[in-house]
Amino acid sequence: AQSVTQLDSHVSVSEGTPVLLRCNYSSSYSPSLFWYVQHPNKGLQLLLKYTSAATLVKGINGFEAEFKKSETSFHLTKPSAHMSDAAEYFCVVSAKAAGNKLTFGGGTRVLVKP
Amino acid sequence: NAGVMQNPRHLVRRRGQEARLRCSPMKGHSHVYWYRQLPEEGLKFMVYLQKENIIDESGMPKERFSAEFPKEGPSILRIQQVVRGDSAAYFCASSPPRGGRDTQYFGPGTRLTVL
Repeated sequence: AQSVTQLDSHVSVSEGTPVLLRCNYSSSYSPSLFWYVQHPNKGLQLLLKYTSAATLVKGINGFEAEFKKSETSFHLTKPSAHMSDAAEYFCVVSAKAAGNKLTFGGGTRVLVKP
Repeated sequence: NAGVMQNPRHLVRRRGQEARLRCSPMKGHSHVYWYRQLPEEGLKFMVYLQKENIIDESGMPKERFSAEFPKEGPSILRIQQVVRGDSAAYFCASSPPRGGRDTQYFGPGTRLTVL
């Protein structure tokens, strides 16, 4: 079984300040972890993924995430928010042993203030 | 290289009608997944298909919903006798046949509204 908890449903930041989106997961398997971003009325775009290589993963648009097995966490960060980062972000877990189906967190909506 | 394509992008149906949602995977991808996103919620897995086979349908409602991925043509998600609770965004994702199988690439979704 697997599950994902995104600790904040909404995050508000000022442009140019750091962004932190928190994610904790649970999995009976060796998980793969992903962050996807969804802009309003759009599909999902893959930001980054962790698949058991380096624990610090760099993604697109300046985002990165760190896999911490001891804390079962996979938090997403960006040093400096841009207005275009306003969107909803989903933390996702999957595992080959679970048929590769993705299990999504509830999402974190990010608001960027000018 | 075109991404995952879904059509229609928006679909309006009256209660009791049928809804047919289509998904064309990325070129070279033979695995298709369907997910449903209810308003203000995350995506929930529905079904996983390979060409001509349903691999995992554990997320599909027991009645009215069916999916197929024929040898030729797009994958189809069919909802019979739609009800208001079926209103949602339906996303299709695809992945390659081997290696990197767990990276899924999403289409833009079909937003179904049931009146």
